[in-house]
Amino acid sequence: GQQVMQIPQYQHVQEGEDFTTYCNSSTTLSNIQWYKQRPGGHPVFLIQLVKSGEVKKQKRLTFQFGEAKKNSSLHITATQTTDVGTYFCAGLYTSGTYKYIFGTGTRLKVLA
Amino acid sequence: NAGVTQTPKFQVLKTGQSMTLQCAQDMNHEYMSWYRQDPGMGLRLIHYSVGAGITDQGEVPNGYNVSRSTTEDFPLRLLSAAPSQTSVYFCASSYSTGLAGVEQFFGPGTRLTVL
Repeated sequence: GQQVMQIPQYQHVQEGEDFTTYCNSSTTLSNIQWYKQRPGGHPVFLIQLVKSGEVKKQKRLTFQFGEAKKNSSLHITATQTTDVGTYFCAGLYTSGTYKYIFGTGTRLKVLA
Repeated sequence: NAGVTQTPKFQVLKTGQSMTLQCAQDMNHEYMSWYRQDPGMGLRLIHYSVGAGITDQGEVPNGYNVSRSTTEDFPLRLLSAAPSQTSVYFCASSYSTGLAGVEQFFGPGTRLTVL
């Protein structure tokens, strides 16, 4: 079946260090979305990538979609304590249905 | 706008009991879905709907039923609860614009424990 693998599962960084999480799909995606979930909260949409090779930035966050539309990454520059949470990617497959397949998430802890 | 609302926030069931998790949205979204979240498993799609009267199965549909009689409501029914259904359940909604996909808005979640 369709799967989206996400690594690493956990990441602890010192405040000010950079952080990257990666998503990989076995098959081509129509688009990929990224969500952030704070501890005890619900997922909140960050961004959507649609085009092959697309790169988008939101302040300290940089999102990339691979050329083959099978992988994506989220990079945070100079982490802050407000970045704490779990980051999920969600892939939409070109199957004609609306099935978003979520990655397992990367839990980020930022040590002050 | 209240956004996506879910009730109850917490629920404890005994094995074999049935219940309905409620989900409602006031944004006139066509697409609604149910996910369950378990530790280390991410969010897994249970059922989804692309409009009133239309539902389809997700990744883990067994043990759950849904219906979509109105645009606003998308209840999730557990017919005979099992301990394996202990999880946090999220409802989500979005506009439907074809395969391009759009942002999903999530409700606050229902934490369900089955004893």
